[in-house]
Amino acid sequence: LAKTTQPISMDSYEGQEVNITCSHNNIATNDYITWYQQFPSQGPRFIIQGYKTKVTNEVASLFIPADRKSSTLSLPRVSLSDTAVYYCLVGDIMYSGGGADGLTFGKGTHLIIQP
Amino acid sequence: DTEVTQTPKHLVMGMTNKKSLKCEQHMGHRAMYWYKQKAKKPPELMFVYSYEKLSINESVPSRFSPECPNSSLLNLHLHALQPEDSALYLCASSHELEVNEQYFGPGTRLTVT
Repeated sequence: LAKTTQPISMDSYEGQEVNITCSHNNIATNDYITWYQQFPSQGPRFIIQGYKTKVTNEVASLFIPADRKSSTLSLPRVSLSDTAVYYCLVGDIMYSGGGADGLTFGKGTHLIIQP
Repeated sequence: DTEVTQTPKHLVMGMTNKKSLKCEQHMGHRAMYWYKQKAKKPPELMFVYSYEKLSINESVPSRFSPECPNSSLLNLHLHALQPEDSALYLCASSHELEVNEQYFGPGTRLTVT
């Protein structure tokens, strides 16, 4: 069971870079790492996904060390609108019938951005 | 169209009522999901449909009954719910049954009185 551990909350300021780390010591060979963002009373929104090394898109970067036991979501130059809960999910890219680990949301990190 | 729609947005029902939640997507996705989310908690997976067949049922009480009439629609039928079932019910879809980019709807806020 690829369980994830994240900080419960983080604070930062507008314009700063924010890094949120997720621990997943039991990650399996076929597991991908996916991050979602959720605002209050809305559904989660996909941010980024990766398998190893670094992935970057227009919203964020995802850093994954060689051992893949952790990952770091990096949000550049945050604004007030980035205040949200961020979830890290770990699981097989294709459901293999062995469980729905990759569809299991952890407790998430509540990121609060201040002016 | 990258939108998942859910109706109604809000629903209040008594414990003896029967109601249904509806979800629709027109992205050609073949996997659809129901999640339940209590306040300040992460979403919990309830059901997964793949190619209109129930693929995952996370031991959800029988008072929740999912239905997938076609590849674009997903329903959740509710009967004899309890007050503790009050929550935000989220629908999502993805291209295939994969742990990949899921598109979530805005949810239905359900209150059971």
